[in-house]
Amino acid sequence: QQQVKQSPQSLIVQKGGISIINCAYENTAFDYFPWYQQFPGKGPALLIAIRPDVSEKKEGRFTISFNKSAKQFSLHIMDSQPGDSATYFCAAIGANAGNMLTFGGGTRLMVKP
Amino acid sequence: KAGVTQTPRYLIKTRGQQVTLSCSPISGHRSVSWYQQTPGQGLQFLFEYFSETQRNKGNFPGRFSGRQFSNSRSEMNVSTLELGDSALYLCASSLVAGVWGSYNEQFFGPGTRLTVL
Repeated sequence: QQQVKQSPQSLIVQKGGISIINCAYENTAFDYFPWYQQFPGKGPALLIAIRPDVSEKKEGRFTISFNKSAKQFSLHIMDSQPGDSATYFCAAIGANAGNMLTFGGGTRLMVKP
Repeated sequence: KAGVTQTPRYLIKTRGQQVTLSCSPISGHRSVSWYQQTPGQGLQFLFEYFSETQRNKGNFPGRFSGRQFSNSRSEMNVSTLELGDSALYLCASSLVAGVWGSYNEQFFGPGTRLTVL
């Protein structure tokens, strides 16, 4: 059972454009929603995270939008750069699940120069 | 500060064999989690260790096991390897175990690429 669904699977954006990746979750016990960025040959690295009591969080060019009632959240990458080309994973952790991350399926982003 | 170290980086085994993967967390980190990454199933949680105790376990068969040592280093073992065990195995460390409502950043290592022939 896939508890976190992520779309699209792949995304091509022109340099300077906005990249948008969406995730939806089913488990209402999820209490923390991080996004990870993974480059080839590397492990995932935390990009930005949000808790459900906040509707939006922005860090530099990266913004998370969160809709608790719809159980959806999304990552927006403003002014996308070729260096942003990577695979992005949304994830979720339950309040009583320790450090156990449940990941979405991933989105491979390519930013064309 | 050195990051999470995983050894070996690449491994080739045949069906039926067993394998042990090693993870050294960031200095001072006491929680270690393991994940399996495959193209088909994505990133899936295997288990989490803190203070040498398994705190959480994912939905994997008993062939997958792990342990943590007093210095926080961790190993995972897969016995009776199957073709489907071919994957990138990632280790992540964090300062402490997750407790109710409190979340700690997890730092991932580069992974061990296991190929089962």
